[in-house]
Amino acid sequence: NAGVTQTPKFRVLKTGQSMTLLCAQDMNHEYMYWYRQDPGMGLRLIHYSVGEGTTAKGEVPDGYNVSRLKKQNFLLGLESAAPSQTSVYFCASRGPGHYNEQFFGPGTRLTVL
Amino acid sequence: EDKVVQSPLSLVVHEGDTVTLNCSYEVTNFRSLLWYKQEKKAPTFLFMLTSSGIEKKSGRLSSILDKKELFSILNITATQTGDSAVYLCAVEAGFFGDNNDMRFGAGTRLTVKP
Repeated sequence: NAGVTQTPKFRVLKTGQSMTLLCAQDMNHEYMYWYRQDPGMGLRLIHYSVGEGTTAKGEVPDGYNVSRLKKQNFLLGLESAAPSQTSVYFCASRGPGHYNEQFFGPGTRLTVL
Repeated sequence: EDKVVQSPLSLVVHEGDTVTLNCSYEVTNFRSLLWYKQEKKAPTFLFMLTSSGIEKKSGRLSSILDKKELFSILNITATQTGDSAVYLCAVEAGFFGDNNDMRFGAGTRLTVKP
């Protein structure tokens, strides 16, 4: 089992560019999450999904879109990147069921110039 | 406003000391509280707490939840340098009318000196 994987690991964008971060899990988990982590602010939930074909907004969803077309994949999109989106992005998955450990991916460091 | 507050923000101790980390919360429709340890990369799961007064233990680490007073503590006894990390508290609750949202505190940075 690879667990939770994220691609890419690092990325530098210019303001206004777009990109997609990919999260994949091979544990057949229902729940998947995207977080961003900024210094001194802990982890903030961007969007999450409770199953294939479903998505929901978290604490800081503005400027991001997500899709969960396949159960194992959760994509995070930035349509027009801004410097305020410079952060480390973590994906996580959870299951089976609700009361289980949440496994995190290794993170993606994104810099927007 | 729903929030999760951890204290202290940072803590420096010497090997062998015992530490207590605090997490208080104000949320709607509480479901669970989780503790994580974060070293250089991704957070790793420590405990999940859903019921008041039941202590969870794993080696030198233990945690308990008080749902009446809305807080949890994480204890680490006989600390070792390998315990140096940021400890994160997260609360799962119905922030936006849905019971799957997750809110993290800012974390406590623990440094254990030899």
